[in-house]
Amino acid sequence: EAEVAQSPRYKITEKSQAVAFWCDPISGHATLYWYRQILGQGPELLVQFQDESVVDDSQLPKDRFSAERLKGVDSTLKIQPAELGDSAMYLCASSTRPISGEQYFGPGTRLTVT
Amino acid sequence: TQLLEQSPQFLSIQEGENLTVYCNSSSVFSSLQWYRQEPGEGPVLLVTVVTGGEVKKLKRLTFQFGDARKDSSLHITAAQPGDTGLYLCAGITGNQFYFGTGTSLTVIP
Repeated sequence: EAEVAQSPRYKITEKSQAVAFWCDPISGHATLYWYRQILGQGPELLVQFQDESVVDDSQLPKDRFSAERLKGVDSTLKIQPAELGDSAMYLCASSTRPISGEQYFGPGTRLTVT
Repeated sequence: TQLLEQSPQFLSIQEGENLTVYCNSSSVFSSLQWYRQEPGEGPVLLVTVVTGGEVKKLKRLTFQFGDARKDSSLHITAAQPGDTGLYLCAGITGNQFYFGTGTSLTVIP
């Protein structure tokens, strides 16, 4: 069964350092999402791609966060510099169509900033 | 401000008990989804409801979409330890998708 792949699964970094997360969506899924989730809370959308284009990045802290999906397949989310408040789970999801389509989530990257 | 509020936030019950989780909003949604998330994993879709008043059953889980399409509930009958996890509702309105605040369920054997 096809799955969304994410790496690394866990990342510990010191504040002010740069960190990057990678996501490979299910083959053929044009829509890709990055979410941030605080433990025990609902995920918060950071950015949504349709193919290689950003559809929604209104909640992305653009002074330190960036996301790209250059060839419309896999995607990278970067934080530079990391802050203590960035400690969270970062989830990637993909779907065949935006918004109304079922989203398939990867296992996430647990980030701890010290 | 969260568009979708879930209650309760935390729930700890004994195996075999019944429970209901609520998802409420002042906004109208074209459809609403429920996900379950296990520790260390991503959410997994359980059901999508699209019609006001719709009721869907998935084994011991019953999902209901409010008549006005502003709220939803999830009822679990005879809870089992395998039901433990974070339950998330998610609403779709226009071209926006919103997750709820989450309900963390623990079923004690």
